[in-house]
Amino acid sequence: QQQVKQSPQSLIVQKGGISIINCAYENTAFDYFPWYQQFPGKGPALLIAIRPDVSEKKEGRFTISFNKSAKQFSLHIMDSQPGDSATYFCASERNSGDKLTFGTGTRLAVRP
Amino acid sequence: DAGVIQSPRHEVTEMGQEVTLRCKPISGHDYLFWYRQTMMRGLELLIYFNNNVPIDDSGMPEDRFSAKMPNASFSTLKIQPSEPRDSAVYFCASSAGQAYGYTFGSGTRLTVV
Repeated sequence: QQQVKQSPQSLIVQKGGISIINCAYENTAFDYFPWYQQFPGKGPALLIAIRPDVSEKKEGRFTISFNKSAKQFSLHIMDSQPGDSATYFCASERNSGDKLTFGTGTRLAVRP
Repeated sequence: DAGVIQSPRHEVTEMGQEVTLRCKPISGHDYLFWYRQTMMRGLELLIYFNNNVPIDDSGMPEDRFSAKMPNASFSTLKIQPSEPRDSAVYFCASSAGQAYGYTFGSGTRLTVV
């Protein structure tokens, strides 16, 4: 079973702080690492994604850091806002057309 | 585009009854995925299709579950007979390929009593 291990399970951050969520994967054949954001009552939505040929990707306040040798990647949310409160899922995919394997999710709460 | 459309949004049924969940993917997306989400098990892939052909159904829990995709614009997930442990949110997602990510529907919340 291909696994993606995600931590922490839940996270509370003050407004303006940095939220950090970590994931580790096992299969070195994975070559696509997206993060999804899910609000209550909605389906997950693609937030940001990275491929292993770069170590970091930034989009606005969201940054993915990727460590190929450690088989780990993380999501950093800078200047966290209450509107960022959601469940975040990391995922990995082996190659185009294959299925995504999702982490177990992190419930983020950003306090005003 | 209206996105991925799932129906019904909520379904409450009695144990032993047949349940059919429906999904309309985004036009032009070649891949369609059915996921189940629970607190205990998170997001589980049940089955996925490429160009209407089932590619991997290894996540389908048991023979009570079946999925079809008769054409590019429609898919169904059927549970017969339903059991209380099938209670979950079922998501359909479609994709045009890895570079474009998945687009999920809003899900069907199934409660089997």
